[in-house]
Formats: sequence, C-alpha cells, structure tokens
Amino acid sequence: DGGITQSPKYLFRKEGQNVTLSCEQNLNHDAMYWYRQDPGQGLRLIYYSQIVNDFQKGDIAEGYSVSREKKESFPLTVTSAQKNPTAFYLCASQKGAYPSYEQYFGPGTRLTVT
Amino acid sequence: GQSLEQPSEVTAVEGAIVQINCTYQTSGFYGLSWYQQHDGGAPTFLSYNALDGLEETGRFSSFLSRSDSYGYLLLQELQMKDSASYFCAVNAGNMLTFGGGTRLMVKP
Repeated sequence: DGGITQSPKYLFRKEGQNVTLSCEQNLNHDAMYWYRQDPGQGLRLIYYSQIVNDFQKGDIAEGYSVSREKKESFPLTVTSAQKNPTAFYLCASQKGAYPSYEQYFGPGTRLTVT
Repeated sequence: GQSLEQPSEVTAVEGAIVQINCTYQTSGFYGLSWYQQHDGGAPTFLSYNALDGLEETGRFSSFLSRSDSYGYLLLQELQMKDSASYFCAVNAGNMLTFGGGTRLMVKP
C-alpha cells in the first residue's frame, strides 16, 4: 500500500539536544512538506521541497533544518535553537509541485522536549 | 502574506446540516481547500474550489466566492463520526496556508 510513514510516533528529548524526525513516502510524489501543529491550532509550514536537492523555508523555519537527498525521504531536524520544540509534527506529500491543493499526510510525530 | 478566519467551534445534532465558514486575505490566490482531522490523527483532504460556485462530494459540499474572499464547507446528514476539526487552506501556488481550524462536535 502506498502512503507516508513518519517515525517515531512519540519522541521525548532533553532540552539542548538535536532530534531528527523521519518522513518517507512511496507515492512517487514530487513535493514534500513539514508542518508544525500546536494544541488547538492550525498547521504552520516549516519547510517544503518540490524537487530532490532543493527546499525552501516556510513561515516558521527558524530552529529547523531539512534535507532532500532522495525523492522518497524528507527528514526534519529540530535543533537546540528552536525555542519551543514541543509540538505535533506532520509530514505531507503532493503529486506535483504546482498548484498545491491536495496533500497527503503522514500519521505525525508528537515531540516532547523537557 | 495570507490570513484565514474560521469559527473556533461549532456544535450540531446528528442528522442536521452544518456550515463552516472561512474568510481569507491573501496576496495570491488559486483556490481554497478543505481538510478534516480527527483528534490525534492526520489531516485528510476533503475538497477544493478553484472557481466560484458549489462543489459536491457525497454528504460534503464546498462553496467559493472569489469576489468576497469567502468560502464554506457544508456537511449534511451529520453523523457522530463527523466530529473532528475542519481546516480551510488557501492555495497560493506551491504551498498551502491553513486556517486555525473549526472544531465540530456532533451530539446525539
């Protein structure tokens, strides 16, 4: 079955540590996205990539980094520079890069930093 | 930039019809999408309007008025499983900007 996988589902880290969240898709989609969702809030775009080896900052990129070395994979690193990293992180993909309207989401990773 | 406004909560009874409104301000606009998200789950795509008018998909319909920068999602014959959060999202080209979401509670 095609889809998007994110691992792990729950992640706990100590303050000051970098942590990398995994996102893999086997849908052969071109574009991939990372969103952050805080309780009771909407989704905010962190980074997106429309093609391998290229990515752009979203609205809240500070304290995060990404890579896109393979079409299937778009890992997100939450660095120690991110002031409030505890959140629900969602990865999404889309068949074409443009226009953007139907995105497929992974199950999410809930990150808790203490 | 983009901004979207949705009501934070809506309550309705099973079998009823409910409308969730969305107004937006955007520097670029190609269309309006709607997503559903159950608690703790992933958002799933419901519908998309690029042109003015009503799009119908089963019990769900979505409407867009580009001149009014306004859209709505209409849910008919409400079921308990429709209790979820609903997000409108503006398509400004190669990305989506999401509203804050409307939490729909369906009561028996």
